[in-house]
Amino acid sequence: EAQVTQNPRYLITVTGKKLTVTCSQNMNHEYMSWYRQDPGLGLRQIYYSMNVEVTDKGDVPEGYKVSRKEKRNFPLILESPSPNQTSLYFCATLIIGQGAYEQFFGPGTRLTVL
Amino acid sequence: SQKIEQNSEALNIQEGKTATLTCNYTNYSPAYLQWYRQDPGRGPVFLLLIRENEKEKRKERLKVTFDTTLKQSLFHITASQPADSATYLCALDPGGSYIPTFGRGTSLIVHP
Repeated sequence: EAQVTQNPRYLITVTGKKLTVTCSQNMNHEYMSWYRQDPGLGLRQIYYSMNVEVTDKGDVPEGYKVSRKEKRNFPLILESPSPNQTSLYFCATLIIGQGAYEQFFGPGTRLTVL
Repeated sequence: SQKIEQNSEALNIQEGKTATLTCNYTNYSPAYLQWYRQDPGRGPVFLLLIRENEKEKRKERLKVTFDTTLKQSLFHITASQPADSATYLCALDPGGSYIPTFGRGTSLIVHP
């Protein structure tokens, strides 16, 4: 089954404690991205990656890092989380070209930073 | 920057009726405009894509229209069912940026 998986699904942590949210896809898509979703603000893109070793900032990259060492994985790293990073996070892949433009989203990770 | 407006008020309709949701945008016309469905606590699911040179797209009970003069897309669900109840998001990509901008979504509630 084609899917995007994220782990953990739920995480409660404290300010300043480094954390990583993993994202993995089995569709061999080159493009992957991370979003956060907050009430009243909608989905906002944090980082995206066009391919292995190629990453770029989205609209709200401050406080986040990503890496793309393999095509299937795109972890999101919070080096020093703060309460304003409490949010619902989604990883997504994108297939584009030959008439297609479609994003596939993971199930989400609900992060609470105390 | 691109701004997207979707009606923040929930749309309540009766089962069997046609639901019409609106997505208005400012500034440039997007190369790609997409509609997604999102259920509570879950990731968005892609429904339909319409390109800047297309006026209408259909898929089963779904129809999307795109008016670049009005800077508006309409999303229709015909013969709506309670299972269609969800939040519907529109997203725009100007083309080449790979940073789509999402609207905040409109909640649709279909009453039996």
